[in-house]
Amino acid sequence: AQSVTQLGSHVSVSEGALVLLRCNYSSSVPPYLFWYVQYPNQGLQLLLKYTSAATLVKGINGFEAEFKKSETSFHLTKPSAHMSDAAEYFCAVSGGYNKLIFGAGTRLAVHP
Amino acid sequence: SAVISQKPSRDICQRGTSLTIQCQVDSQVTMMFWYRQQPGQSLTLIATANQGSEATYESGFVIDKFPISRPNLTFSTLTVSNMSPEDSSIYLCSVEDQNTIYFGEGSWLTVV
Repeated sequence: AQSVTQLGSHVSVSEGALVLLRCNYSSSVPPYLFWYVQYPNQGLQLLLKYTSAATLVKGINGFEAEFKKSETSFHLTKPSAHMSDAAEYFCAVSGGYNKLIFGAGTRLAVHP
Repeated sequence: SAVISQKPSRDICQRGTSLTIQCQVDSQVTMMFWYRQQPGQSLTLIATANQGSEATYESGFVIDKFPISRPNLTFSTLTVSNMSPEDSSIYLCSVEDQNTIYFGEGSWLTVV
């Protein structure tokens, strides 16, 4: 069975600082991993995905994530936070047949 | 990437009534999914809808409460039946396209 753990339900950073959102997964098969972002009062937007190609995945809006099999991690990073990055971020693993299993989410706050 | 439209985007419903949410995709897709996001929570898969077959429901969700139709490869509906305040949620349609899961903007339902 697959599962996802996002460490830290709330993360606060200063504008211009590094963003690091943590995601650990459990999967009995090679996983497909995703990060989605949900802006206030909006649906989910795909940030990036890992599907067994390059372990460092670049996404939209300057985000990237690195797949580390030995650590079962898929942490999301961005070198310099912008105020517009404030949102809820969800890590998800494909649970077979393209069904997604989501983590609990991390709310990112960016302050001046 | 697939473009997904959902209707209604928002609604306020009376308890005991039923509401049907529509999901339209701009391309033919084999698999469509319905997720629920309760207030302040992560996403949970309700069911998988494949054209030409009965929907497959996840544990805790039943067809009588959440009947689903999938008449063709670009359209699906989810009905939330006999609604109670606990059904107040965002309901999201999603599709699989080239190993990636895309989401609609969601239907925000409030049951009063």
